[in-house]
Amino acid sequence: QKEVEQDPGPLSVPEGAIVSLNCTYSNSAFQYFMWYRQYSRKGPELLMYTYSSGNKEDGRFTAQVDKSSKYISLFIRDSQPSDSATYLCAMRASGTYKYIFGTGTRLKVLA
Amino acid sequence: SQTIHQWPATLVQPVGSPLSLECTVEGTSNPNLYWYRQAAGRGLQLLFYSVGIGQISSEVPQNLSASRPQDRQFILSSKKLLLSDSGFYLCAWSVAGVCAFGSGTRLTVV
Repeated sequence: QKEVEQDPGPLSVPEGAIVSLNCTYSNSAFQYFMWYRQYSRKGPELLMYTYSSGNKEDGRFTAQVDKSSKYISLFIRDSQPSDSATYLCAMRASGTYKYIFGTGTRLKVLA
Repeated sequence: SQTIHQWPATLVQPVGSPLSLECTVEGTSNPNLYWYRQAAGRGLQLLFYSVGIGQISSEVPQNLSASRPQDRQFILSSKKLLLSDSGFYLCAWSVAGVCAFGSGTRLTVV
């Protein structure tokens, strides 16, 4: 079993839809959780960072961490064609240096 | 704010040639530094990480090496490139739990 599981997609939604992207993980020691957006042939761009549990909101983006279920989510409201990209989740345990990444979900927002 | 510079953006090298990719970080001190490789359509593979000057941890035994001669400089090298070394190489830094990436170098070995 992989430490982090992420549906590869592609996920196609119409413009204006609410998008839900998810990752599950197996290591209960993970404390740092991140979401990245990666456009084709570019480096991943950090979107959201959460420490431990809870929700965090930044504009159209909301990140949720449910440690009891070992499940994290990224919600995108009012999705735009410019949101079309691959979204990567990542996590790290306290006291370690290595980040564990999901394989990414390809999102297509159709105009 | 912190920024990370990575160059070159694109590189085409013949098999058997040497490689040197450089990454520098600005706006922070004593970051953890990382080299990742991303093959087409695949996830990120951690190659090396460093928690301080001269301290290198290798994750995958292969044809590559890394060095950290200064606090905010991280170098990825190879003495002789293989076709299988082709890929998208990403440098990253982390401070206080947050990890951010450079813009990447697309390496094609021909």
